[in-house]
Amino acid sequence: DAGVIQSPRHEVTEMGQEVTLRCKPISGHDYLFWYRQTMMRGLELLIYFNNNVPIDDSGMPEDRFSAKMPNASFSTLKIQPSEPRDSAVYFCASGDLQETQYFGPGTRLLVL
Amino acid sequence: SQQGEEDPQALSIQEGENATMNCSYKTSINNLQWYRQNSGRGLVHLILIRSNEREKHSGRLRVTLDTSKKSSSLLITASRAADTASYFCATDSMNYGGSQGNLIFGKGTKLSVKP
Repeated sequence: DAGVIQSPRHEVTEMGQEVTLRCKPISGHDYLFWYRQTMMRGLELLIYFNNNVPIDDSGMPEDRFSAKMPNASFSTLKIQPSEPRDSAVYFCASGDLQETQYFGPGTRLLVL
Repeated sequence: SQQGEEDPQALSIQEGENATMNCSYKTSINNLQWYRQNSGRGLVHLILIRSNEREKHSGRLRVTLDTSKKSSSLLITASRAADTASYFCATDSMNYGGSQGNLIFGKGTKLSVKP
């Protein structure tokens, strides 16, 4: 298996633009997680899905953030409109709820 | 505040020395995990220890868990320059911070191993 795949790996955009991050989890994993990592706040859970259904989105910072999982092999995290404070590394992970999670390489987002 | 907090925040050692990192947490757990993150990369799972276990080994890694003190330690023996990375503990968190049941990560210990 290729592991968790994320795209793009880097994204530079201007404030106000829409940003869409993509994730392909490892086949067979029931859970998919979106995290955000910054120096100030560390690694924060944004939202997670179980069998394509959002279970907990309490970590999503604002209504500007939305996530979908239309099928078991694809998820998106969208920020609209983006702001400079959204600059961070966004990770997707798949696995089990309280067991091992497998992380993708991350998307490094810079909002100017 | 974080469920798990690593100590120290940064650690610098010479190749061949042992590295010890600690993690403290606040609530009861089912298991505790350690992850490693190389610069610019995603986190990689190292080891999982369950609440009924006290010690676990994997290669040069040794993890201990003291549930009475709500703490864990990660020992890397005979460190190598390639061990340079950040190390995170993660705990499951029943009824903590609204994210019930998911892993909560600490802020990590940045380990630097000098050749």
